[in-house]
Amino acid sequence: DAGVIQSPRHEVTEMGQEVTLRCKPISGHNSLFWYRQTMMRGLELLIYFNNNVPIDDSGMPEDRFSAKMPNASFSTLKIQPSEPRDSAVYFCASSLGRADYTFGSGTRLTVV
Amino acid sequence: SQKIEQNSEALNIQEGKTATLTCNYTNYSPAYLQWYRQDPGRGPVFLLLIRENEKEKRKERLKVTFDTTLKQSLFHITASQPADSATYLCAASGSSNTGKLIFGQGTTLQVKP
Repeated sequence: DAGVIQSPRHEVTEMGQEVTLRCKPISGHNSLFWYRQTMMRGLELLIYFNNNVPIDDSGMPEDRFSAKMPNASFSTLKIQPSEPRDSAVYFCASSLGRADYTFGSGTRLTVV
Repeated sequence: SQKIEQNSEALNIQEGKTATLTCNYTNYSPAYLQWYRQDPGRGPVFLLLIRENEKEKRKERLKVTFDTTLKQSLFHITASQPADSATYLCAASGSSNTGKLIFGQGTTLQVKP
């Protein structure tokens, strides 16, 4: 298995633009998580899905953030419009139940 | 709110010594604690999981303890090596089947040869 695949690896965008981050979880995993990591706040859980259904989105900072999981093999995190304070590394992780998580390599987002 | 706290100061030790990292939790009674390793520019990698009814778990040179009275987990690396230098993250989850994990800020370990 190739592990959790995220794209793009790096994204630089201008303030106000729409940004879409993509994630392909490990086949057979039933939970998917989106985290954001910054120096100041560490790893913050934004939203997680169980069997493609959003379970808890209380970590999503604002209405500008949205996430979807149309099927078991794909998820997106969208920011519209983006702001400089959204600059961070965004990680996707998947797991089978409460077993160990497997993280992707992350997307480093820079909003200028 | 639920909090997972790790020592934010970097830990510097000499090669061959045992490194001990601390994780404390407040306003929370996790059913599971996990430890992850993160290298610069990469995602966290799972190392060990310990359940609330387990006192200790070992894997090769790694040992984790879970003290529900002190609300604390300790993570030990014995016979440390420079290759062990990384940031180590503690994470907690409840008994729900959905496995939501809350992470601490991480502690950076530097092992000097």
